[in-house]
Amino acid sequence: NAGVTQTPKFQVLKTGQSMTLQCAQDMNHEYMSWYRQDPGMGLRLIHYSVGAGITDQGEVPNGYNVSRSTTEDFPLRLLSAAPSQTSVYFCASSLGDTDTQYFGPGTRLTVL
Amino acid sequence: KQEVTQIPAALSVPEGENLVLNCSFTDSAIYNLQWFRQDPGKGLTSLLLIQSSQREQTSGRLNASLDKSSGRSTLYIAASQPGDSATYLCAFLGDRGSTLGRLYFGRGTQLTVWP
Repeated sequence: NAGVTQTPKFQVLKTGQSMTLQCAQDMNHEYMSWYRQDPGMGLRLIHYSVGAGITDQGEVPNGYNVSRSTTEDFPLRLLSAAPSQTSVYFCASSLGDTDTQYFGPGTRLTVL
Repeated sequence: KQEVTQIPAALSVPEGENLVLNCSFTDSAIYNLQWFRQDPGKGLTSLLLIQSSQREQTSGRLNASLDKSSGRSTLYIAASQPGDSATYLCAFLGDRGSTLGRLYFGRGTQLTVWP
Protein backbone atom coordinates (compact mmCIF):
# COMPACT_ATOMS: atom_id res chain seq x y z
CA ASN A 1 0.00 0.00 0.00
CA ALA A 2 1.20 3.50 -0.83
CA GLY A 3 -0.87 4.91 2.05
CA VAL A 4 -1.76 8.58 1.68
CA THR A 5 -0.11 10.38 -1.22
CA GLN A 6 -0.08 14.09 -1.98
CA THR A 7 0.96 16.06 -5.02
CA PRO A 8 2.70 18.35 -5.62
CA LYS A 9 5.33 18.43 -2.84
CA PHE A 10 6.10 22.09 -3.44
CA GLN A 11 4.20 24.86 -5.20
CA VAL A 12 4.69 28.60 -5.67
CA LEU A 13 1.70 30.67 -6.74
CA LYS A 14 1.05 34.31 -7.40
CA THR A 15 -1.77 36.08 -5.61
CA GLY A 16 -5.06 35.43 -7.39
CA GLN A 17 -4.02 32.19 -9.08
CA SER A 18 -5.97 29.02 -8.52
CA MET A 19 -4.74 25.47 -8.07
CA THR A 20 -5.72 22.06 -6.81
CA LEU A 21 -3.80 20.05 -4.23
CA GLN A 22 -4.23 16.35 -4.83
CA CYS A 23 -4.69 13.71 -2.15
CA ALA A 24 -5.24 10.00 -2.64
CA GLN A 25 -5.35 6.96 -0.37
CA ASP A 26 -5.41 3.26 -1.20
CA MET A 27 -6.58 1.93 2.16
CA ASN A 28 -10.32 2.12 1.42
CA HIS A 29 -10.74 4.70 4.18
CA GLU A 30 -14.06 6.48 4.45
CA TYR A 31 -12.85 9.51 6.41
CA MET A 32 -10.50 12.03 4.80
CA SER A 33 -9.48 15.50 5.85
CA TRP A 34 -7.24 18.46 5.07
CA TYR A 35 -5.14 20.34 7.63
CA ARG A 36 -2.83 23.29 7.36
CA GLN A 37 0.27 23.72 9.50
CA ASP A 38 1.65 27.17 10.21
CA PRO A 39 4.73 28.08 12.29
CA GLY A 40 3.95 28.41 15.99
CA MET A 41 0.47 26.96 15.60
CA GLY A 42 -1.00 23.52 15.84
CA LEU A 43 -2.45 21.89 12.76
CA ARG A 44 -5.90 23.25 11.89
CA LEU A 45 -8.70 21.43 10.10
CA ILE A 46 -9.81 22.95 6.78
CA HIS A 47 -12.39 20.49 5.37
CA TYR A 48 -13.29 16.88 5.90
CA SER A 49 -15.30 14.09 4.29
CA VAL A 50 -16.97 11.05 5.85
CA GLY A 51 -17.44 9.32 2.51
CA ALA A 52 -17.84 9.78 -1.22
CA GLY A 53 -20.22 12.63 -1.95
CA ILE A 54 -20.16 13.99 1.62
CA THR A 55 -17.99 16.92 2.70
CA ASP A 56 -18.15 19.52 5.43
CA GLN A 57 -16.24 22.49 6.77
CA GLY A 58 -13.63 22.42 9.48
CA GLU A 59 -12.12 25.20 11.53
CA VAL A 60 -10.60 27.33 8.72
CA PRO A 61 -12.55 26.65 5.47
CA ASN A 62 -12.56 30.13 3.91
CA GLY A 63 -10.81 30.30 0.54
CA TYR A 64 -10.85 26.53 0.02
CA ASN A 65 -13.21 24.13 -1.73
CA VAL A 66 -13.33 20.35 -1.67
CA SER A 67 -15.24 17.56 -3.34
CA ARG A 68 -15.23 13.79 -2.91
CA SER A 69 -16.35 11.94 -6.02
CA THR A 70 -14.55 8.70 -5.13
CA THR A 71 -13.48 6.99 -1.92
CA GLU A 72 -9.82 7.27 -2.92
CA ASP A 73 -9.47 10.95 -3.82
CA PHE A 74 -10.03 14.16 -1.89
CA PRO A 75 -8.67 17.23 -3.74
CA LEU A 76 -8.38 20.66 -2.14
CA ARG A 77 -8.96 23.68 -4.38
CA LEU A 78 -7.68 27.18 -3.81
CA LEU A 79 -9.93 29.44 -5.85
CA SER A 80 -7.93 32.68 -5.63
CA ALA A 81 -4.69 32.27 -3.72
CA ALA A 82 -3.73 34.81 -1.07
CA PRO A 83 -0.43 35.24 0.83
CA SER A 84 -2.27 34.18 4.02
CA GLN A 85 -2.62 30.72 2.45
CA THR A 86 1.13 30.20 2.49
CA SER A 87 1.41 27.07 4.61
CA VAL A 88 2.11 23.36 4.63
CA TYR A 89 -0.98 21.33 3.77
CA PHE A 90 -1.54 17.81 5.01
CA CYS A 91 -4.13 15.32 3.92
CA ALA A 92 -5.17 12.56 6.31
CA SER A 93 -7.38 9.50 6.16
CA SER A 94 -8.85 6.95 8.55
CA LEU A 95 -11.24 4.05 8.44
CA GLY A 96 -13.84 6.01 10.37
CA ASP A 97 -13.86 9.41 12.02
CA THR A 98 -12.76 7.97 15.39
CA ASP A 99 -9.96 5.71 14.12
CA THR A 100 -6.21 6.23 13.82
CA GLN A 101 -5.54 8.92 11.24
CA TYR A 102 -2.77 8.51 8.68
CA PHE A 103 -1.16 11.58 7.19
CA GLY A 104 0.36 12.24 3.80
CA PRO A 105 3.82 13.81 3.33
CA GLY A 106 2.44 17.31 2.83
CA THR A 107 2.43 20.05 0.19
CA ARG A 108 4.46 23.16 0.91
CA LEU A 109 2.66 26.11 -0.69
CA THR A 110 4.02 29.63 -1.05
CA VAL A 111 1.80 32.44 -2.32
CA LEU A 112 3.64 35.56 -3.44
CA LYS B 1 -12.80 25.67 23.30
CA GLN B 2 -10.31 22.80 23.36
CA GLU B 3 -6.77 23.99 24.07
CA VAL B 4 -3.81 21.64 23.88
CA THR B 5 -0.49 22.55 25.48
CA GLN B 6 2.75 20.65 25.11
CA ILE B 7 5.64 21.11 27.50
CA PRO B 8 8.53 21.49 26.98
CA ALA B 9 8.58 23.14 23.55
CA ALA B 10 12.10 21.82 22.99
CA LEU B 11 14.26 19.21 24.66
CA SER B 12 17.89 18.23 24.06
CA VAL B 13 19.29 15.15 25.80
CA PRO B 14 22.19 12.73 25.49
CA GLU B 15 21.61 9.28 24.10
CA GLY B 16 20.34 6.70 26.56
CA GLU B 17 18.20 8.95 28.73
CA ASN B 18 14.59 8.16 29.57
CA LEU B 19 12.27 11.00 28.57
CA VAL B 20 8.82 12.27 29.43
CA LEU B 21 6.93 14.56 27.09
CA ASN B 22 3.85 16.26 28.49
CA CYS B 23 0.54 17.20 26.93
CA SER B 24 -2.37 18.89 28.68
CA PHE B 25 -5.87 19.72 27.51
CA THR B 26 -8.66 21.92 28.81
CA ASP B 27 -11.76 19.89 27.97
CA SER B 28 -12.13 16.37 29.37
CA ALA B 29 -14.77 15.45 26.76
CA ILE B 30 -12.33 13.61 24.57
CA TYR B 31 -12.88 10.43 22.58
CA ASN B 32 -9.26 9.40 22.18
CA LEU B 33 -5.80 10.85 21.78
CA GLN B 34 -2.95 10.18 19.41
CA TRP B 35 0.73 10.85 19.66
CA PHE B 36 2.47 11.62 16.38
CA ARG B 37 6.05 12.00 15.28
CA GLN B 38 7.03 14.54 12.62
CA ASP B 39 10.45 14.57 11.02
CA PRO B 40 11.67 17.82 9.40
CA GLY B 41 9.93 18.44 6.08
CA LYS B 42 7.87 15.27 6.43
CA GLY B 43 4.37 14.24 7.28
CA LEU B 44 3.04 12.95 10.59
CA THR B 45 3.52 9.35 11.68
CA SER B 46 1.06 7.95 14.20
CA LEU B 47 2.85 6.42 17.20
CA LEU B 48 0.12 5.50 19.67
CA LEU B 49 -3.62 5.90 20.05
CA ILE B 50 -5.30 5.74 23.47
CA GLN B 51 -9.06 5.46 23.79
CA SER B 52 -10.69 7.58 26.49
CA SER B 53 -11.53 4.41 28.42
CA GLN B 54 -7.88 3.33 28.52
CA ARG B 55 -5.10 4.49 30.81
CA GLU B 56 -2.08 3.71 28.66
CA GLN B 57 -0.72 2.16 25.51
CA THR B 58 2.73 0.76 24.79
CA SER B 59 4.69 0.22 21.60
CA GLY B 60 8.31 -0.85 21.91
CA ARG B 61 10.22 1.83 23.84
CA LEU B 62 7.20 4.15 23.84
CA ASN B 63 4.52 4.33 26.49
CA ALA B 64 1.67 6.84 26.44
CA SER B 65 -0.65 7.46 29.36
CA LEU B 66 -3.93 9.31 29.66
CA ASP B 67 -5.53 10.87 32.75
CA LYS B 68 -8.79 12.50 31.69
CA SER B 69 -9.61 13.76 35.17
CA SER B 70 -6.45 15.87 35.32
CA GLY B 71 -6.45 16.71 31.62
CA ARG B 72 -3.03 15.24 30.99
CA SER B 73 -1.23 12.79 28.76
CA THR B 74 2.43 11.82 28.80
CA LEU B 75 4.66 10.11 26.28
CA TYR B 76 7.49 8.17 27.86
CA ILE B 77 10.48 7.27 25.68
CA ALA B 78 12.86 4.73 27.17
CA ALA B 79 16.56 4.58 26.36
CA SER B 80 16.46 7.42 23.84
CA GLN B 81 18.44 7.16 20.60
CA PRO B 82 19.58 9.77 18.04
CA GLY B 83 16.99 8.34 15.65
CA ASP B 84 14.28 9.52 18.07
CA SER B 85 15.11 13.13 17.19
CA ALA B 86 11.93 14.66 15.77
CA THR B 87 8.96 16.80 16.77
CA TYR B 88 6.34 14.98 18.81
CA LEU B 89 2.74 16.10 18.57
CA CYS B 90 -0.21 15.13 20.68
CA ALA B 91 -3.74 15.43 19.32
CA PHE B 92 -7.18 14.80 20.81
CA LEU B 93 -10.30 13.70 19.09
CA GLY B 94 -13.31 15.49 20.54
CA ASP B 95 -16.21 13.56 21.96
CA ARG B 96 -19.52 13.23 20.13
CA GLY B 97 -20.95 16.62 19.32
CA SER B 98 -17.63 17.93 18.09
CA THR B 99 -16.70 18.25 14.42
CA LEU B 100 -16.42 14.68 13.15
CA GLY B 101 -12.84 13.46 13.12
CA ARG B 102 -11.40 16.81 14.06
CA LEU B 103 -8.09 16.45 15.87
CA TYR B 104 -7.04 19.21 18.27
CA PHE B 105 -3.26 19.49 18.01
CA GLY B 106 -0.65 20.82 20.35
CA ARG B 107 2.29 22.80 18.96
CA GLY B 108 4.69 19.94 19.59
CA THR B 109 7.88 19.18 21.50
CA GLN B 110 11.05 19.31 19.40
CA LEU B 111 13.33 16.54 20.64
CA THR B 112 17.05 16.29 19.92
CA VAL B 113 18.96 13.24 21.11
CA TRP B 114 22.71 13.60 20.70
CA PRO B 115 25.24 10.75 20.64
